[in-house]
Amino acid sequence: ILNVEQSPQSLHVQEGDSTNFTCSFPSSNFYALHWYRWETAKSPEALFVMTLNGDEKKKGRISATLNTKEGYSYLYIKGSQPEDSATYLCAFKSGTYKYIFGTGTRLKVLA
Amino acid sequence: DTEVTQTPKHLVMGMTNKKSLKCEQHMGHRAMYWYKQKAKKPPELMFVYSYEKLSINESVPSRFSPECPNSSLLNLHLHALQPEDSALYLCASSQGLRDEQYFGPGTRLTVT
Repeated sequence: ILNVEQSPQSLHVQEGDSTNFTCSFPSSNFYALHWYRWETAKSPEALFVMTLNGDEKKKGRISATLNTKEGYSYLYIKGSQPEDSATYLCAFKSGTYKYIFGTGTRLKVLA
Repeated sequence: DTEVTQTPKHLVMGMTNKKSLKCEQHMGHRAMYWYKQKAKKPPELMFVYSYEKLSINESVPSRFSPECPNSSLLNLHLHALQPEDSALYLCASSQGLRDEQYFGPGTRLTVT
């Protein structure tokens, strides 16, 4: 059984703080790691697709890193804003069609 | 258009009812998916369609019946559901089976 873990489960930060969370996944048979941002009652929004060990990707104040050898990815948010409040989901893909999702990190940014 | 739409947003149904969930995309994607998400759990894959044919059924009970009438539409027919089937049902699509998936906002289903 493939397991994808995310930590922490939830997080409250003050506006302006930087924060990061972790996605741990199986280190064997890696194909891709996806990060999604999911606001309540909206569609999960794709943030990053990461495929190569050592990948670093950035989108505005959000960035992510990937270590496939040890099976983890970090998502960083610099200078958090209230509009960053959402659930951040990672999804691991092995060499098949199937996403294995983590349970998500629920971020609340307090103004 | 990079949107996946789902209707209805919310659905309440009794255990003897028959209802359908609808999903639509106009991105030319050839793979479409149904997921089920229970509260505080990750989304779980139910069905995968590729080129309008059912490719994968993740051992889903027969009271859930998927249908792909054309390349843009995916339905999920529901009949004789149980209260434990109450969940958020998410649809997704991708160019091919190995490509990034785009998700709809989901249908919140309550079975009474």
